[in-house]
Amino acid sequence: DTAVSQTPKYLVTQMGNDKSIKCEQNLGHDTMYWYKQDSKKFLKIMFSYNNKELIINETVPNRFSPKSPDKAHLNLHINSLELGDSAVYFCASSHSGGNSPLHFGNGTRLTVT
Amino acid sequence: QQQVKQSPQSLIVQKGGISIINCAYENTAFDYFPWYQQFPGKGPALLIAIRPDVSEKKEGRFTISFNKSAKQFSLHIMDSQPGDSATYFCASGDGGSQGNLIFGKGTKLSVKP
Repeated sequence: DTAVSQTPKYLVTQMGNDKSIKCEQNLGHDTMYWYKQDSKKFLKIMFSYNNKELIINETVPNRFSPKSPDKAHLNLHINSLELGDSAVYFCASSHSGGNSPLHFGNGTRLTVT
Repeated sequence: QQQVKQSPQSLIVQKGGISIINCAYENTAFDYFPWYQQFPGKGPALLIAIRPDVSEKKEGRFTISFNKSAKQFSLHIMDSQPGDSATYFCASGDGGSQGNLIFGKGTKLSVKP
């Protein structure tokens, strides 16, 4: 009964390909996020969705597109993958508003060759 | 972009010792200061958090000390154990919106038996 689950855990692909990472949460949270963790462990938010509405969109390339079919799911689609996209991508969720902790998934390690 | 400066980058402590990690933030509007703990292969998990209306918060062996005038806060781990070995991230943000959390660059803690 994993709270925030994302698939796949590992993803190895070639430059130029298109790939998707899926995320599901069963915590009843109304906000979901995607974070990118680079090789130096730096965590940076990419997107968040609240009630199917994008509320934060950091300056990430438009090759990255989040898609939320419902409140419990937030998928990340990446077009034309580049070497620099290699990183660990974390999905997270929380209740909206302050003092609500982020619950992270266990990450998807993306390697672009 | 607003930064959260975290130090040290890595820390080695003997079992039973005190681990201290420091963070400094820039935005005086920030009112929420959590610490996250991340084990290898896992997503970050909330460890402890503080609001600026108190100068200290303690939960078990973990204590946050907060200095509002200096815009600094720190995590103290008392009686450090090998099981505490992990990467620790401080964060700062507007408590009204979790997605505005800005993370420090992390501290890798190793507790030697």
